[in-house]
Amino acid sequence: GAGVSQSPSNKVTEKGKDVELRCDPISGHTALYWYRQSLGQGLEFLIYFQGNSAPDKSGLPSDRFSAERTGGSVSTLTIQRTQQEDSAVYLCASSFSGGRYEQYFGPGTRLTVT
Amino acid sequence: GQQLNQSPQSMFIQEGEDVSMNCTSSSIFNTWLWYKQEPGEGPVLLIALYKAGELTSNGRLTAQFGITRKDSFLNISASIPSDVGIYFCAGHPAGGTSYGKLTFGQGTILTVHP
Repeated sequence: GAGVSQSPSNKVTEKGKDVELRCDPISGHTALYWYRQSLGQGLEFLIYFQGNSAPDKSGLPSDRFSAERTGGSVSTLTIQRTQQEDSAVYLCASSFSGGRYEQYFGPGTRLTVT
Repeated sequence: GQQLNQSPQSMFIQEGEDVSMNCTSSSIFNTWLWYKQEPGEGPVLLIALYKAGELTSNGRLTAQFGITRKDSFLNISASIPSDVGIYFCAGHPAGGTSYGKLTFGQGTILTVHP
C-alpha cells in the first residue's frame, strides 16, 4: 500500500514568510509525528498526534510553530515568520497505536529560508 | 530527557566486510528499532525488536535486543555499495510515554568502498 507522503518535497522561502508543510499518513495509522532534521544531525521530535488531538507538543521550538490534523488523517505543520535557523528537513511519521512503536517515515520536506 | 549513545559515528569499510554498530542507554528500553536513511529520503525501518535477548535478521542484517535491555546491536554482513547511508537506532523507554514516542540515536554514517 501507499506509504507516508509529504509535500512539497522542497520549499524555498524568504525570511519572515509563513510556510505550510503537509503530511499524508499511511491509511489506518492513528498516530502521527513530526520531526526536524538539521543537516548531518539526528531527528528532533516536534509534535505527536493521536487522531486529531496533539497530546504532546513539547518539541515545538517556539510559538511560531503550530500543527493540526484533520479527519484523523492529513496533518499540516505551519511555521510563521520563518527564520534562517528554521532551515532543515521536516519529516513526518505515522504508526498504529496500541503497544507497537514502529514508525514509518515520509520522504521529508527540505525547507530553505533565505 | 532520554539519551541514546550510538557508535561509531562513522565507518569507512571495503565492500565485502562485515559491519557492527550499537546503541546504549542509561535506562531500560522495551523496544529497539533500527532505521536506514539514504540521502534525500526519510528513514526506512529495517528491524524492530520487542524482547530482551531477541535476535532478528532481515537479509544480511541482524539486530539484537541486549539482555540488559539497555543496548542493541546491528550487524551487516558482506557489505555492498548500496549499504551506504546513515543508520539510526531508536527506542521506546520502559516506563516512558503511553504512546510510541521514540528516542533516537545520533546515527552511524556508513561508507562502503567498492
